[in-house]
Amino acid sequence: AQTVTQSQPEMSVQEAETVTLSCTYDTSESDYYLFWYKQPPSRQMILVIRQEAYKQQNATENRFSVNFQKAAKSFSLKISDSQLGDAAMYFCAYRTFYYGGSQGNLIFGKGTKLSVKP
Amino acid sequence: NAGVMQNPRHLVRRRGQEARLRCSPMKGHSHVYWYRQLPEEGLKFMVYLQKENIIDESGMPKERFSAEFPKEGPSILRIQQVVRGDSAAYFCASSEGLGTEAFFGQGTRLTVV
Repeated sequence: AQTVTQSQPEMSVQEAETVTLSCTYDTSESDYYLFWYKQPPSRQMILVIRQEAYKQQNATENRFSVNFQKAAKSFSLKISDSQLGDAAMYFCAYRTFYYGGSQGNLIFGKGTKLSVKP
Repeated sequence: NAGVMQNPRHLVRRRGQEARLRCSPMKGHSHVYWYRQLPEEGLKFMVYLQKENIIDESGMPKERFSAEFPKEGPSILRIQQVVRGDSAAYFCASSEGLGTEAFFGQGTRLTVV
């Protein structure tokens, strides 16, 4: 069974600085998706970025980028130029690449609470 | 196009009562997933449904919990005879099809007193 581990329960960053959130996962599959979700106090789960395992290039979305190390099964999120609105819980998630089976659900880590200091 | 709608946002039930949580997927989405988030935890998969069918309920507790997604109307997660340990946030996500992006609702926070 696949597992996702986030080893940093809490992180803190100064506004405008850069912070990296860690995520490792365990799987025997070769094709899969990885995601970072943001959950602000409103509880809404917001997709920040996704990575397809077959792509070697790291995904980037504006100030958010990932460092995907497939061999090491590592998927960290880098937030550049941190803003106060980035303060939230961040969840790393895994999903099987669909080949026609019934699996489509996400497997989440326990999350990292990010605080942004003004 | 409205997003995934869950209601109620907050639900309080006494021990032994029934809780019904509703999820209206995004327009055009026929796949629904339910997740549970306990305090200080990530989301845990419960059940995956397509219209009128349960595809995967491997994350659903064997007793007291049931889910449906009828041909017409929202998906319903039903918890019978609630206990304190059922207190959690319950999230619904919908997608257009298998392998496509899933979008989340804002969740229902169930409190059992």
